[in-house]
Amino acid sequence: GAVVSQHPSWVICKSGTSVKIECRSLDFQATTMFWYRQFPKQSLMLMATSNEGSKATYEQGVEKDKFLINHASLTLSTLTVTSAHPEDSSFYICSASWGTSGKDIQYFGAGTRLSVL
Amino acid sequence: SQQGEEDPQALSIQEGENATMNCSYKTSINNLQWYRQNSGRGLVHLILIRSNEREKHSGRLRVTLDTSKKSSSLLITASRAADTASYFCATDGSGANSKLTFGKGITLSVRP
Repeated sequence: GAVVSQHPSWVICKSGTSVKIECRSLDFQATTMFWYRQFPKQSLMLMATSNEGSKATYEQGVEKDKFLINHASLTLSTLTVTSAHPEDSSFYICSASWGTSGKDIQYFGAGTRLSVL
Repeated sequence: SQQGEEDPQALSIQEGENATMNCSYKTSINNLQWYRQNSGRGLVHLILIRSNEREKHSGRLRVTLDTSKKSSSLLITASRAADTASYFCATDGSGANSKLTFGKGITLSVRP
């Protein structure tokens, strides 16, 4: 159980375009979803926390208008990278948990590798 | 910062040997978790140990927690080539609104 699906797994886009990444909890209701960014051989950097039906909470230094997060249902959250630039190229990972606390066990998607040309 | 720091950064062992990975952190925690990440993939939760627990087992995994030293260790016994991955410890803070903070990870290579 506790399967999280993330789509797409890999995307290449032109600079200036927008890219949407989906994160779905397949067999449980995810009260909270998290979006991370990971650079090669680095740790995960939390970008934002989203709760179903409410606005996402962004971490310091993360541009809200650049990284749009929508958590419209208990099984789906989306991250849209708007007007992507080469420096946005990275590995983006979502996770989901049952609880409302950021301390709970998180179940991760497989990640999305974004390459902006 | 609450961020846990794993040690060593990289570990290479022979199949069948035990692998020990350490994590140190700076402030009080409620729980400490260990995750595993295969190359280019998401993370998989391995084990959670609470601050009032000292040791926990799950299959070939053994996790210890020493809150006085603010450290934890993950032991993988009888390692297999399939254990090759990066391992992260994640700590929360004692505050109500604290979130998980991941360390930089340990790259484990198990040679067949």
